Amino acid sequence: GNSVTQMEGPVTLSEEAFLTINCTYTATGYPSLFWYVQYPGEGLQLLLKATKADDKGSNKGFEATYRKETTSFHLEKGSVQVSDSAVYFCALFSGGSNYKLTFGKGTLLTVNP
Amino acid sequence: GAVVSQHPSRVICKSGTSVKIECRSLDFQATTMFWYRQFPKQSLMLMATSNEGSKATYEQGVEKDKFLINHASLTLSTLTVTSAHPEDSSFYICSARDTRLPHETQYFGPGTRLLVL
Repeated sequence: GNSVTQMEGPVTLSEEAFLTINCTYTATGYPSLFWYVQYPGEGLQLLLKATKADDKGSNKGFEATYRKETTSFHLEKGSVQVSDSAVYFCALFSGGSNYKLTFGKGTLLTVNP
Repeated sequence: GAVVSQHPSRVICKSGTSVKIECRSLDFQATTMFWYRQFPKQSLMLMATSNEGSKATYEQGVEKDKFLINHASLTLSTLTVTSAHPEDSSFYICSARDTRLPHETQYFGPGTRLLVL
């Protein structure tokens, strides 16, 4: 079956630090990969996505590259801000999964001024 | 962008009562909606897939008689927590799939915080 493994948090950084949140997956076929962000007290928002190997998704300074050879989709940002403090979820979608997204367990990021 | 609303945003109820949570797609049709429960330390659990005009599909371990799902229109799904108990206290999130878009596209609601006393 499909599964997503992401690094456990919490992750605490100072403002302007470099961020990496690791994500690896197991899936049948050729999944689409996603990063969602959840700000405190809110639902999930799509941050970025990639639908095929070697695609790079990017948004708000965040990037992630779909690496089929390592089955990974690591999230990176060169300089984090306090407003980036949130929970980040890696997820995948593959055909035949009855339209269900498979989520990782989430990583809590706290950015201090 | 597409908007999904949930109502209420938070609810406090007494043990033994039932609580209904609504999930609406505001500017698109959604033949499929999903209900999630979020536990402490942020872990998300898919509870069920709600299909317009048919019975919901529940994930293993989720009691369908406890968590009643109705998807009576293309823009509304409801989750009713029946005979709620303190252990049902949680953050419930819905998502909706836009019928016109690729299957992987889902939009999430803002969540409903349920506290059962």
